[in-house]
Amino acid sequence: EIVMTQSPATLSVSPGERATLSCRASQSVSSNLAWYQQKPGQAPRLLIYGASTRATGIPARFSGSGSGTEFTLTISSLQSEDFAVYYCQQYNNWPPLFTFGPGTKVDIK
Amino acid sequence: QVQLVQSGAEVKKPGASVKVSCKASGYTFTSYGISWVRQAPGQGLEWMGWISAYNGNTNYAQKLQGRVTMTTDTSTSTAYMELRSLRSDDTAVYYCARVSGVLLPFDYWGQGTLVTVSS
Repeated sequence: EIVMTQSPATLSVSPGERATLSCRASQSVSSNLAWYQQKPGQAPRLLIYGASTRATGIPARFSGSGSGTEFTLTISSLQSEDFAVYYCQQYNNWPPLFTFGPGTKVDIK
Repeated sequence: QVQLVQSGAEVKKPGASVKVSCKASGYTFTSYGISWVRQAPGQGLEWMGWISAYNGNTNYAQKLQGRVTMTTDTSTSTAYMELRSLRSDDTAVYYCARVSGVLLPFDYWGQGTLVTVSS
């Protein structure tokens, strides 16, 4: 079973600053890695898939990189609406089996 | 537009079963799979399983094997998740999500259904 880890658990950032979130897989997931954003009381929203492809309607300030076991989500200039919890997810299995990381909370510094 | 609309909140006693529905619209139901994800209060996301709306094939999280059953009704474009032998730690918000394709993630989510297990 693939285990996903994320760091840090909490990231305190000022509006306008850059945020860098990390995700690691216990074994290679190729580029089959997604990032989701979740705000309180809402369902998660897909941000990035294929490790680096932005989902429809996602602003260009969100970017993803990495492959294999190490991945990064970068938010280039944090806006007020970006303060949320971010989860990575691997989907490198057939039949489908998905694993989420524990999440990184981005809060206001 | 794609929508997944889930059934309402449930309160169940320990040992009971719950069945949550997820009605899809705005796309061809049988062309995509559905996954179920749950989130305990203040906790992260836990994947529960997947069902193909095309042929009914399933794959469940090992932790829930034997307690969970996922089904679909293609005549009404509705997916169902039944969880049996409920325990207090099954208290969570349960989400359905559309799997966007083979080796692809979840592109649309339902609004969530709170299931509370309490004596």
